Amino acid sequence: QVQLQESGPGLVKPSQTLSLTCTVSGGSISSGTYYWSWIRQPAGKGLEWIGRIYVSGSTAYNPSLKSRVSISVDTSKNQFSLKLSSVTAADTAIYYCARTGYYFDRNTWADYWGQGTLLTVSS
Amino acid sequence: EVVLTQSPDFQSVTPKETVTITCRASQNIDNSLHWYQQKPDQSPKLLIKYASQSISGVPSRFSGSGSGTDFTLTISSLEAEDAATYYCHQSSSLPFTFGPGTKVHIK
Repeated sequence: QVQLQESGPGLVKPSQTLSLTCTVSGGSISSGTYYWSWIRQPAGKGLEWIGRIYVSGSTAYNPSLKSRVSISVDTSKNQFSLKLSSVTAADTAIYYCARTGYYFDRNTWADYWGQGTLLTVSS
Repeated sequence: EVVLTQSPDFQSVTPKETVTITCRASQNIDNSLHWYQQKPDQSPKLLIKYASQSISGVPSRFSGSGSGTDFTLTISSLEAEDAATYYCHQSSSLPFTFGPGTKVHIK
């Protein structure tokens, strides 16, 4: 059973860079045709896809955040990470990591999610 | 970007009723539409993939239909444990997008 677990500081000051890590267990991050995504959810609001990475390092980002986002992967640790720069209060949200697939030239659903980590931007 | 709209925003129902939630895409996404259930303080859980395909372990009272731009999630014979917010999600094109959610309240 694949499990994902987010980790991060919990609190970041405005204008700083947010850094979160997702640790994958129960399977290798390098196996299969899977992409590894970050998704966020402000309190009481809907879900926003931030971006994804493949084990090769290939990335895709939401254009709304592209100038501030970077996602990387560390296969030796079975982890992938998110960096979001120049944060403001609007970036306060629960951040989820999730696995999505790619089968027969089609992107697919998110089948495994982390429990989420609350990131608050405040001075 | 594909914009997903859902209706209704909120629905209050009694147990054993049938609930129908609709999701409309701003352009043709074939059947690249998936449904999730999110309960308070939990991460989303996959209910339906590719518009109508069932997921192992998900009760059979959850079903989906649709193709192109119009999709439906149906919950038959609602149970108290189905109180949650339901989201649709498209994987047809990047960036992935989600609908705004439909909150189902049990009377």
